[in-house]
Amino acid sequence: EVQLVESGGGLVQPGGSLRLSCAASGFTFSSYSMNWVRQAPGKGLEWVSYISSSSSTIYYADSVKGRFTISRDNAKNSLYLQMNSLRDEDTAVYYCARDGAYSSSSADYWGQGTLVTVSS
Amino acid sequence: SYVLTQPPSVSVAPGQTARITCGGNNIGSKSVHWYQQKPGQAPVLVVYDDSDRPSGIPERFSGSNSGNTATLTISRVEAGDEADYYCQVWDSSSDKVVFGGGTKLTVL
Repeated sequence: EVQLVESGGGLVQPGGSLRLSCAASGFTFSSYSMNWVRQAPGKGLEWVSYISSSSSTIYYADSVKGRFTISRDNAKNSLYLQMNSLRDEDTAVYYCARDGAYSSSSADYWGQGTLVTVSS
Repeated sequence: SYVLTQPPSVSVAPGQTARITCGGNNIGSKSVHWYQQKPGQAPVLVVYDDSDRPSGIPERFSGSNSGNTATLTISRVEAGDEADYYCQVWDSSSDKVVFGGGTKLTVL
């Protein structure tokens, strides 16, 4: 069974940093590209970042570029999101999502999310 | 940047057909994916590549895509289908994933 479990969320002050993790199991993690997607309270889904299976290709949303860094450790079956210079508007539930097995531009499995709250 | 436009809400009676649209410039040239999200839960992929269904998704869920509009169709709507629905594409011109604003489906 495919499982994605996010961790690392919490309360942080504006300007602070946080590192999110996503532990993957039930599939060959090293064969799949991964994404981070966030959802602010009461709002819609917003894509944050993408990383290819070998980490050779990385993309970011304009809203986080230069502040967030996506990475992965295939030996540990883990995905990460380093978030620096956090702003109030970064407050959201952050989901990790696997690129689709049948369509690489979709996301076929999602974690349950971890809440990041940026507030003083 | 590429923009996907969805109606904020759609209402339908049980047993009827719900159609949720997703508008975008020449969206027919892109692969459109649809997600269902119930309150407090993670999104679930219900249609990928315009009209394919992942395993475990009922045949009542179908999709189409042409011109400037993609459509998610839910036949014989049930109370359990009440949720937010999001369309999504990959915008190759900007190398970004784009989500629509979401549509709240209410079952009357």
